[in-house]
Amino acid sequence: EAQVTQNPRYLITVTGKKLTVTCSQNMNHEYMSWYRQDPGLGLRQIYYSMNVEVTDKGDVPEGYKVSRKEKRNFPLILESPSPNQTSLYFCASSSGHGTGSYNSPLHFGNGTRLTVT
Amino acid sequence: KQEVTQIPAALSVPEGENLVLNCSFTDSAIYNLQWFRQDPGKGLTSLLLIQSSQREQTSGRLNASLDKSSGRSTLYIAASQPGDSATYLCAVLVLSAGNMLTFGGGTRLMVKP
Repeated sequence: EAQVTQNPRYLITVTGKKLTVTCSQNMNHEYMSWYRQDPGLGLRQIYYSMNVEVTDKGDVPEGYKVSRKEKRNFPLILESPSPNQTSLYFCASSSGHGTGSYNSPLHFGNGTRLTVT
Repeated sequence: KQEVTQIPAALSVPEGENLVLNCSFTDSAIYNLQWFRQDPGKGLTSLLLIQSSQREQTSGRLNASLDKSSGRSTLYIAASQPGDSATYLCAVLVLSAGNMLTFGGGTRLMVKP
C-alpha cells in the first residue's frame, strides 16, 4: 500500500532532550516536507526537500533540522526541544521532477503528536 | 506575505444538501491551489489540485473552481453525506515566496443524517 509512515505517533519528552521523528514513503517520491499544525495557526511548513541531499527552509524552520540521505526517508530532528515545539507534526511527499513535483498531489502521514514539558 | 482565509470556520448541514466552501488568498500570483480533507486523528488527504492556468477540477461529487484574479477558490460538494464530515483545508503555492505551501485555517463540516 502506498503510504507515508511517521513514527512515533505520540511522543512526550522533556525540554532539551534531543529527539528524532522519522518519516518514510514507499512511493519513490522526490519531494518531501514537514509541517506543524497548531490551533489558531493552521498548518505551517518547517522544511522541505526536492531530492536527495537537497533541503530548504519553510516558514518556521527555527529549532529544527532535517536530512535527506536517501529518497525514501526524511527525518525531523529537534536538537534541543522546547515547550513551544509542542504540536502536531505531519510529513508529506509528492512525485514529479523539479518544479513538476509542485503539480502533484501531496500525500500526508498520519501525524506525530509531540508534547515537550 | 501570502494569507489564506477560509470562511466559514464551521458548517453544519443536513444530509443531501449541496454546499460550497470558500477559500480566499491575498497574493494572486499562485502556482497552484489544493483542497484537502482532514479527518480527526488523521493526516490530510488531497482532494483536488488546480493549476494556475485552470479554472476548475472535478472528482466525483466534488468540484473546485479557481479565480486567480479575485483571489478566490470554492469547493462545491454535491448531495452531501454524513461521510463527508471532516475539516476541509485549502492551500496555495507561490513559487516566488520560497516555494512554500500556505494553508488556510480550514472549514469544519458536519453533515447530519
